[in-house]
Amino acid sequence: NAGVTQTPKFQVLKTGQSMTLQCAQDMNHNSMYWYRQDPGMGLRLIYYSASEGTTDKGEVPNGYNVSRLNKREFSLRLESAAPSQTSVYFCASSTGSDQPQHFGDGTRLSIL
Amino acid sequence: GEDVEQSLFLSVREGDSSVINCTYTDSSSTYLYWYKQEPGAGLQLLTYIFSNMDMKQDQRLTVLLNKKDKHLSLRIADTQTGDSAIYFCAETLFGSASKIIFGSGTRLSIRP
Repeated sequence: NAGVTQTPKFQVLKTGQSMTLQCAQDMNHNSMYWYRQDPGMGLRLIYYSASEGTTDKGEVPNGYNVSRLNKREFSLRLESAAPSQTSVYFCASSTGSDQPQHFGDGTRLSIL
Repeated sequence: GEDVEQSLFLSVREGDSSVINCTYTDSSSTYLYWYKQEPGAGLQLLTYIFSNMDMKQDQRLTVLLNKKDKHLSLRIADTQTGDSAIYFCAETLFGSASKIIFGSGTRLSIRP
């Protein structure tokens, strides 16, 4: 039982490059989320998808786009990476919007 | 506004109890959570409490909720070296789709 799987685990990009972070869950959860974690700031919500076919902005959506490809998969895209987007990115899922969220192991992204 | 606050560091002796505290500002919270993050890993849901409960116990973990003071605590009995991690307090808000507010995390270190 894999839970929430994120790929890649590590990535280094140059400023201006684009990249898609992948997330898949095998728990038949309806809701999925993307967060970024920066030192001393906890987790901040970038985008979420309350159910298949819907996506909504979170606290820090600028510079990102998302796609809820199907019930299992929720991807995060950086169209033109900036050094300020250097962070650890976490994907999470839950059965419903007010239920406990289960997290992947994260993607460590560095932008030079 | 919505805010969840925790102290940044806690150091305890192995075998003692650890108490990690959290305060929150929004009284419309539904669930309150404790997550554990070990180095290089994602957030692991430890336990959670519904806002109409005062206490929840699960093996070595005890969660206490004081709604009047908007204070949540996590007590870890007989603290072991494997408990070294960052602990995040979080709340979900009633009527707010898919929104979890995280604290900045408390780093628990264990000394021999």
